[in-house]
Amino acid sequence: QLQLQESGPGLVKPSETLSLTCTVSGGSISSSSYYWGWIRQPPGKGLEWIGSIYYSGSTYYNPSLKSRVTISVDTSKNQFSLKLSSVTAADTAVYYCARIGYSYADGAFDIWGQGTMVTVSS
Amino acid sequence: QSALTQPASVSGSPGQSITISCTGTSSDVGSYNLVSWYQQHPGKAPKLMIYEVSKRPSGVSNRFSGSKSGNTASLTISGLQAEDEADYYCCSYAGSSLYVFGTGTKVTVL
Repeated sequence: QLQLQESGPGLVKPSETLSLTCTVSGGSISSSSYYWGWIRQPPGKGLEWIGSIYYSGSTYYNPSLKSRVTISVDTSKNQFSLKLSSVTAADTAVYYCARIGYSYADGAFDIWGQGTMVTVSS
Repeated sequence: QSALTQPASVSGSPGQSITISCTGTSSDVGSYNLVSWYQQHPGKAPKLMIYEVSKRPSGVSNRFSGSKSGNTASLTISGLQAEDEADYYCCSYAGSSLYVFGTGTKVTVL
């Protein structure tokens, strides 16, 4: 059974870079049938798609965050990562990683990690 | 790329049916049959309930159904149960491998 697990610092200082990793277990990140994505949810607010990556390294970002976001993949470790630069308090949120269907359940975020809370504060 | 519009809250009594709307534009909901719906209980990760407008993943109750007309998608929960009380989010493909989520709807079972 495929599982995703986010990891990374829970506290980041303003103006610094937030870095998170999502480890995929029980399946291969190199499957041609899926993309992999990051989604965030500020406390008490809704979901926001941050960006997605294909195992080949092709990336797609939310235009509102594009200038600050980098998503990368390491197929040898079955992981993909998120970097968000120049963070402010507005970036405080629960960050989720998820699998996105491509050839099946197209466009659906069908498996999610448990989420990790990241607080931006000095 | 603006968030899709959902009602902030919807409520119903046990056994009733409720419908949650999700309004987008001709650039997202209106252009693609790639609308999905997610259920989120407090403190939990979202769970996929509907994909490709009206398809249910294995294990999801057939009390949940989806549809779309023009720029508006809808999620209907029939035979409302206490366990359905949660937040619900729609999501649409918006072209060029971009996605947009809805504003979210809190469902209350009276």
